[in-house]
Formats: sequence, C-alpha cells, structure tokens
Amino acid sequence: QSVLTQPPSVTGAPGQRVTISCTGTSSNIGAGYDVHWYQHLPGTAPKLLINANNNRPSGVPDRFSGSKSGTSASLAITGLQAEDEADYYCQSFDRSLSAVIFGGGTKLTVL
Amino acid sequence: QLLLQVSGPGLVEPSETLSLTCTVSGGSISSTTYFWGWIRQPPGKDLEWIGSVFYSGDTYYNPSLKTRVTISVATSKNQFSLRLRSATAADTALYYCARQSHYYMNWFDPWGQGTLVAVSS
Repeated sequence: QSVLTQPPSVTGAPGQRVTISCTGTSSNIGAGYDVHWYQHLPGTAPKLLINANNNRPSGVPDRFSGSKSGTSASLAITGLQAEDEADYYCQSFDRSLSAVIFGGGTKLTVL
Repeated sequence: QLLLQVSGPGLVEPSETLSLTCTVSGGSISSTTYFWGWIRQPPGKDLEWIGSVFYSGDTYYNPSLKTRVTISVATSKNQFSLRLRSATAADTALYYCARQSHYYMNWFDPWGQGTLVAVSS
C-alpha cells in the first residue's frame, strides 16, 4: 500500500476535464513538503508535469495544473486529448520515513 | 538537451551485487544545482526511490535499502553508479536514473529511459 494514495484509474472523454487526487498524511504533504507530478507512457521515461505543487515546467501545456491543500494534492487536466492517455504519479517527501515517496499511480483512459 | 542513459547487466544472480551506471550527456554532473538519483519500479508495483548523490559524493539513501546500497559519482566520466548488494528476486525491477533539482527531496527531471534488471538464477 502506497504512502501517497491515488485512484487506480480515471476516465474522461476528449475535451473534458479530469482531476487526479493524491492523498497523504501529516508526515508528508500535510507537513508542508511539495508535491510533484509525472506522466508516464509505458516504455518511455517518466516526464515531469508539475513541480512544487503548481509549477509547470517549460514545454508542458497549460492544460495541466496542480494544486495542494492540507494533506492532499490534485492534478487537473482540461481539454482532454487522446495523447493524454498515460499513467500519472505524484511524488513528495515523508519525514517519518526520511524518504522520497511516490503515489501508486493513476491510469488515465481517454474514451 | 540533457540525456541520461542507464547501462549494466540485465540479469543478476541471487545474492550477487546489482551494478548499474548512469551516463549523463548534454550537461555536467558537477553542477552545484542538482542531485542525481536512482528510482526503480518492480513489475506491477509502485515507483521506489533508491537514493541520490551530489557531485561532491554526498549521498542520501532510502532507509529501506540503506544497508545494501551504495551510490557513487565519477565526475571525470560524467557518470554516477548504483550498487545493490545481496540481490534477491524482490530487486527485479525497471531501474531509472534521473536528475534531481536542488535537493534530494525535490523533483526528478529529466529521467533516463530505464533498464530492466532481473534477479534470477
């Protein structure tokens, strides 16, 4: 069981908006540690989408946005496109474990 | 464009040492801005941070693996390496190397392609 909890899957139609949650505890997200998000297509290297909760690196479309509140964070994708179909992971740090931690991943299916 | 490439054996015998090297191109591993990390993903399981190293040799390890892991850096070769002792089937995974921003708690970008290592006789 992952320290950061993500829904196993989310589904959306082209053009729609979907959100992916990442739920932690007072030892990680709730302790103030930043949350980062990655997009992962099988057979490729994971790609950074959002760093430090809500910062979008250069080259990442503004359809992707991140937010954080309390012990949770969310990734929102608007104007869903077929190419967005991938696995999405959140990452943070846990002070009790003294380790970088990842969520279990969420598979996004675009109908 | 910074590129990272993992190299090493794809098959390791149980109880032996798993050794991988990450070669960095398009940038210097001696940058004072970045750490360099190893992450793995066993089949069907979550991503797991193994550890990170600074160009000076300072290392931070996942406590769950700390007793078996050594991460080192070779600045003259622009490489950093992973050694995981006493490998077992549980260490079978896709291994990635990545650049980590500013501190070992931070995000990874970019990642290398990853290499599958199987621990089996």
